[in-house]
Amino acid sequence: DSGVTQTPKHLITATGQRVTLRCSPRSGDLSVYWYQQSLDQGLQFLIQYYNGEERAKGNILERFSAQQFPDLHSELNLSSLELGDSALYFCASSATLNTEAFFGQGTRLTVV
Amino acid sequence: QQPVQSPQAVILREGEDAVINCSSSKALYSVHWYRQKHGEAPVFLMILLKGGEQKGHDKISASFNEKKQQSSLYLTASQLSYSGTYFCGTEIVGSQGNLIFGKGTKLSVKP
Repeated sequence: DSGVTQTPKHLITATGQRVTLRCSPRSGDLSVYWYQQSLDQGLQFLIQYYNGEERAKGNILERFSAQQFPDLHSELNLSSLELGDSALYFCASSATLNTEAFFGQGTRLTVV
Repeated sequence: QQPVQSPQAVILREGEDAVINCSSSKALYSVHWYRQKHGEAPVFLMILLKGGEQKGHDKISASFNEKKQQSSLYLTASQLSYSGTYFCGTEIVGSQGNLIFGKGTKLSVKP
């Protein structure tokens, strides 16, 4: 158990819908990362937050948004979902920058 | 910005050694190595920082060539438990915190 909690574990939704994925980082970790992993693909970096502020942005679609709340948990919002958005979404947290990141078990999103 | 990993896949017999390479076109601040087993989350192996090197586990070590913007992960006397996909993640100088992963190297260790 990495200490990073992601909910829900599985999500099935229809095209055009909107979903919210939640991540609770390890206690004390200030940095949260979001990654998308499609079948047989690597980890695509989406976005990073550090102590409530957006720090880095990767290949995140405009339909996707995220935020980190004062209690440091983070949410990833995916809207106008398309079939191609089906993937495993990982959240990871680290104590500060340049330290090891601990990954949650992921949320498997299936868009039908 | 995505680092390039090689090889894409490798098959070993137990006890054999393997090297996985990771290279970047940008000046690197750090290189992170993770292993992901099928159906599981990635697990941290080690970090190599600019100006230094850190060994994370016995029989698994890594090097970081700052001049060439390359890192190599060395697995010696491989065990069945080493099977999985290995990812390198890089932080570019000036973009610390932005951890970008390569596409991974799939390692299969056979008995």
